[in-house]
Amino acid sequence: KNQVEQSPQSLIILEGKNCTLQCNYTVSPFSNLRWYKQDTGRGPVSLTIMTFSENTKSNGRYTATLDADTKQSSLHITASQLSDSASYICVVSDRGSTLGRLYFGRGTQLTVWP
Amino acid sequence: DTAVSQTPKYLVTQMGNDKSIKCEQNLGHDTMYWYKQDSKKFLKIMFSYNNKELIINETVPNRFSPKSPDKAHLNLHINSLELGDSAVYFCASSQGVAGGLYEQYFGPGTRLTVT
Repeated sequence: KNQVEQSPQSLIILEGKNCTLQCNYTVSPFSNLRWYKQDTGRGPVSLTIMTFSENTKSNGRYTATLDADTKQSSLHITASQLSDSASYICVVSDRGSTLGRLYFGRGTQLTVWP
Repeated sequence: DTAVSQTPKYLVTQMGNDKSIKCEQNLGHDTMYWYKQDSKKFLKIMFSYNNKELIINETVPNRFSPKSPDKAHLNLHINSLELGDSAVYFCASSQGVAGGLYEQYFGPGTRLTVT
């Protein structure tokens, strides 16, 4: 069964600290993996999109890693800011075509305290 | 210059009513989507249109009927609303189809409350 599991479900960190969010998937075949950030009351915003051949991708203070062999991805946030407080959603696609389906994780709720 | 816009932002209605949500994108994208986000923040795709053609139709009650009059618009009509339809509905668009390496741009969401 194709699934995307994220951990932890929620996380609280102090401003300035680093953190890592995890995404494990069983989706097969694999096409690409995305990380989204969703602020409260807003739509998700894309952070990174990674394919099978990419191990690491950065977007400012956000760095995503992908291990296609173990079917794991992580999102590392460096020097956290209050504005990083949001839900982070991992999404995996099984085909890069019209037939491709998107599988969503339930998200990790990150809270950054001053 | 909102890229993906939805109306209304809030919608409160009674069970059994029929309602519509409208979505427009000005990005020139070929593909548009409807998502439902439940109270536990789980995002689930409902429909996807590519060049006005329905390409994704997840297991959604047939009380939900999408309609794409042109590539820039995708509306969602819901008949006989039920309590379980209460959720936030997001519209999104992308240059290509869902599985490809195309960024999806989401609208601000429509919070539907059925009483």
